Amino acid sequence: AQSVSQHNHHVILSEAASLELGCNYSYGGTVNLFWYVQYPGQHLQLLLKYFSGDPLVKGIKGFEAEFIKSKFSFNLRKPSVQWSDTAEYFCAVTASGGYNKLIFGAGTRLAVHP
Amino acid sequence: DSGVTQTPKHLITATGQRVTLRCSPRSGDLSVYWYQQSLDQGLQFLIQYYNGEERAKGNILERFSAQQFPDLHSELNLSSLELGDSALYFCASREDRVNGELFFGEGSRLTVL
Repeated sequence: AQSVSQHNHHVILSEAASLELGCNYSYGGTVNLFWYVQYPGQHLQLLLKYFSGDPLVKGIKGFEAEFIKSKFSFNLRKPSVQWSDTAEYFCAVTASGGYNKLIFGAGTRLAVHP
Repeated sequence: DSGVTQTPKHLITATGQRVTLRCSPRSGDLSVYWYQQSLDQGLQFLIQYYNGEERAKGNILERFSAQQFPDLHSELNLSSLELGDSALYFCASREDRVNGELFFGEGSRLTVL
């Protein structure tokens, strides 16, 4: 069965600091990987996704993630965070192909202080 | 706006009661997914439908059931409610293509008193 582990449950940063959120997944086959963001009081929105090809994926709002197959990891990064990045971030995995269910990690709450 | 509509947005009810949550997927999307988000359990996959048929089941309790209708809207029925069922219930629909993106609704917040 697929599973996703996010290492940090809460992260507090100051504006302009760099961000890296860890995500590891467990699945024996080919996977598709996602990062979603949930701003306070809002629904989940897709930040970026990886299906195949270049393992460095760029998403919206300056976020990027790197797929490292040998480490089963898909860490999210941003070089300089802003106060508006305060949100909860979810890593998710699905088996590649078809219409498979998306399995989410527990989420990381990011608080950015001005 | 994701295009996925969920009603009601908020619902307060008592233990032992039954509620129905409704989801209208994006136009053209055939797949509907239901998730439960609670503080202690995170975002848990409940069930998936594709064009009216159940496709996958996750951590859905026997007291819960769902269906997808011919017009593709879906309903999640929660019965014999317990305090622990208080959560945010999300519906998502998926682009009708392989590896299509999931789009989430704003959720229905259920409070069981």
